[in-house]
Amino acid sequence: NAGVTQTPKFQVLKTGQSMTLQCAQDMNHEYMSWYRQDPGMGLRLIHYSVGAGITDQGEVPNGYNVSRSTTEDFPLRLLSAAPSQTSVYFCASSAPGVRDYGYTFGSGTRLTVV
Amino acid sequence: AQSVTQPDIHITVSEGASLELRCNYSYGATPYLFWYVQSPGQGLQLLLKYFSGDTLVQGIKGFEAEFKRSQSSFNLRKPSVHWSDAAEYFCAVGPSGTYKYIFGTGTRLKVLA
Repeated sequence: NAGVTQTPKFQVLKTGQSMTLQCAQDMNHEYMSWYRQDPGMGLRLIHYSVGAGITDQGEVPNGYNVSRSTTEDFPLRLLSAAPSQTSVYFCASSAPGVRDYGYTFGSGTRLTVV
Repeated sequence: AQSVTQPDIHITVSEGASLELRCNYSYGATPYLFWYVQSPGQGLQLLLKYFSGDTLVQGIKGFEAEFKRSQSSFNLRKPSVHWSDAAEYFCAVGPSGTYKYIFGTGTRLKVLA
């Protein structure tokens, strides 16, 4: 089925470990974003991309890196995991030319840092 | 500063009753407004959106929302709630021409049988 695919669905890390959250979409969407969701705080934008090779920081970028080498993929890297990064992470994409028409979201990755 | 407020953290309604979820925004220009729904363990799904024109917009699953500029509100309504509507609902606002959207903190809906 077309959509946004996130892997893994669950992950437990030890403090200081690094990992990459994968995000792929097959809708040829130019715009992709990463959000984190924490109780009582809604969704906060981490990083976003308006096309291959172009990325920018969102509201809470510290501790995270992104790259966009292809239209389809937008991985999020945690450089040195901290307990404060325990959260649910969502990747989202939007179509070119209609980027204000709302996102398509992945099903999320639940990350626990111990 | 731009912001979105959802004043109700939790709402409980009986099945078949009407529903209204509140959303207030602070924004310097005409906003683009959205409502999303999140079922447990799932991502967010777009319910409806408002950009311009008719201030009453229809969405999926029988939901509608009304944009009131004078009140800076975009409340979500449904005439008769079904048990399957139990979920968390998020209001979001975004400016035209950029990709940064602001989400509210969400309203969790419980439906009593």
